[in-house]
Amino acid sequence: KQEVTQIPAALSVPEGENLVLNCSFTDSAIYNLQWFRQDPGKGLTSLLLIQSSQREQTSGRLNASLDKSSGRSTLYIAASQPGDSATYLCAVMNYGGSQGNLIFGKGTKLSVKP
Amino acid sequence: DAGVIQSPRHEVTEMGQEVTLRCKPISGHDYLFWYRQTMMRGLELLIYFNNNVPIDDSGMPEDRFSAKMPNASFSTLKIQPSEPRDSAVYFCASSAGWHTEAFFGQGTRLTVV
Repeated sequence: KQEVTQIPAALSVPEGENLVLNCSFTDSAIYNLQWFRQDPGKGLTSLLLIQSSQREQTSGRLNASLDKSSGRSTLYIAASQPGDSATYLCAVMNYGGSQGNLIFGKGTKLSVKP
Repeated sequence: DAGVIQSPRHEVTEMGQEVTLRCKPISGHDYLFWYRQTMMRGLELLIYFNNNVPIDDSGMPEDRFSAKMPNASFSTLKIQPSEPRDSAVYFCASSAGWHTEAFFGQGTRLTVV
């Protein structure tokens, strides 16, 4: 059974700091990995999707890396801003199975202080 | 397309009452997923449909929970009778295929008192 863990559960940083969010998964046989953002009272917004054959993906100030063999992914946020404050969720997509296609971590709640 | 639409956004009900949550997926998407999010357990898959057919409901916690998808544009998740431990945010998501991006609705925050 696939399990996804995110560390830390919460993170508070001053504005302008670069930061790294961590995600680990137990079964390396994944199809892809996604990072989502969730604002309070809102749904999930997909940020980056990394295929299993890729090492990283970039979008603006966000860079996500994937090391499938070690079961790890990181989300790097450069020059953080107060608007980045949200919960960030990592999810792996399995090839199949009863867990459904996306297995989520519990998220990292990020607070960027002005 | 307006995205995945869920209703109601908030629901407060008394223990023992029936609760029905609704979802309209994105047109043309063949997969529909119902998730539950709690602080303790995070996001968990309850059930998913492919072409309106329930494929796996092993995530449904108890017989009090049931889900239907009578057509390609509508699904319901029903809890009868509701209990305080059912309080959570329930999300609906849809995707065009198994390995394609899933789009999430805004969720329904359910409080059972």
